[in-house]
Amino acid sequence: AQSVAQPEDQVNVAEGNPLTVKCTYSVSGNPYLFWYVQYPNRGLQFLLKYITGDNLVKGSYGFEAEFNKSQTSFHLKKPSALVSDSALYFCAVRDSRGGSSNTGKLIFGQGTTLQVKP
Amino acid sequence: NAGVTQTPKFQVLKTGQSMTLQCAQDMNHNSMYWYRQDPGMGLRLIYYSASEGTTDKGEVPNGYNVSRLNKREFSLRLESAAPSQTSVYFCASSVGQVLSYEQYFGPGTRLTVT
Repeated sequence: AQSVAQPEDQVNVAEGNPLTVKCTYSVSGNPYLFWYVQYPNRGLQFLLKYITGDNLVKGSYGFEAEFNKSQTSFHLKKPSALVSDSALYFCAVRDSRGGSSNTGKLIFGQGTTLQVKP
Repeated sequence: NAGVTQTPKFQVLKTGQSMTLQCAQDMNHNSMYWYRQDPGMGLRLIYYSASEGTTDKGEVPNGYNVSRLNKREFSLRLESAAPSQTSVYFCASSVGQVLSYEQYFGPGTRLTVT
């Protein structure tokens, strides 16, 4: 069965410092991996995805994520955090296997709150 | 381009009441989804519609029904609300069911059942 784990409920960083939000996954086939951000009282916004190719994926707002197949991880990173990056971050995974039973469902992690302090 | 819109934004129901949550997208997407978000549990899929005219159950469908009214609109109905359905509900859409497509989310409906 597919699963996603975000081991930290909250990450605190100082503005200007690098940030990492961790995500590990479990799928039977190859993974399609996604990061979303949710600001207070808003819907989820797509940040970036890994489908295939280069393990380092760049996305919106200066975020990037590194796919590591051997560690089954897809950690979100940013070289220099901003106070405005403070939000709830979700990692999500799909199994890339095709077939009629595959509904394309996204499986979400429980979310990590990022707090960036001035 | 409004993207994905949801109405209402907030709703309070008494146990046993019914209501319909509305969702519309203007991106010409084929697939639409309903999720619920509960603290510490991420998002869980309630129902989805791969294309106009089709709907299917997700992870937590009990107590809900859906209607794909046309390509733009996908509604979620609670026939007899229960306190366990207190949650934030998100509608989402994607170009299609190709697995690499990302989903786009609406702003959510915050539902409280007393």
